[in-house]
Amino acid sequence: GDSVTQMEGPVTLSEEAFLTINCTYTATGYPSLFWYVQYPGEGLQLLLKATKADDKGSNKGFEATYRKETTSFHLEKGSVQVSDSAVYFCALSDPGSARQLTFGSGTQLTVLP
Amino acid sequence: DSGVTQTPKHLITATGQRVTLRCSPRSGDLSVYWYQQSLDQGLQFLIQYYNGEERAKGNILERFSAQQFPDLHSELNLSSLELGDSVLYFCASSVQGGGRTDTQYFGPGTRLTVL
Repeated sequence: GDSVTQMEGPVTLSEEAFLTINCTYTATGYPSLFWYVQYPGEGLQLLLKATKADDKGSNKGFEATYRKETTSFHLEKGSVQVSDSAVYFCALSDPGSARQLTFGSGTQLTVLP
Repeated sequence: DSGVTQTPKHLITATGQRVTLRCSPRSGDLSVYWYQQSLDQGLQFLIQYYNGEERAKGNILERFSAQQFPDLHSELNLSSLELGDSVLYFCASSVQGGGRTDTQYFGPGTRLTVL
């Protein structure tokens, strides 16, 4: 079946540091890929998405590129802020089979001032 | 604000009871999904409805059921509640209910506590 593997957390960074959260996937078909963010006590917010190979999703300074050859969708941000502290989830949706999202385990990010 | 609403935000009940969680999708969205989030299992898909019809089923227990009404709001019914049902329940909605560009938007969740 489909699966998503994220780098283990928690991740702690200083403000203005560079962020990378690794995400790799396994899918039977050709999935769409997503990053969602969950702030404390809140629901999941869509951060960015990419629907085909080599697409780059971007939002609020975050970027991720759909790499079909390495089955990866790593999240990056050049300079993190304290307000970026949250849990980040990588997810896939496989249009060829199931329509639901399959999520990674989440990565807790804490940014210190 | 995603435009997806869920009520109630918190629900406290006792073992063996039955509860109903409610979700209203974004305006124009035809599909509703239910997920649960727990510390040990993470985010797990439960069930999907599209325009009133069940479309996909995931790891939903037989004690749980859902439906989508003609106005497109959805309800998740949980019965014979157990302590282990004390998790977060999320609803999401999307326009098409599938497809490469279809995107799910999540509500704020309902936290269920079973005592």
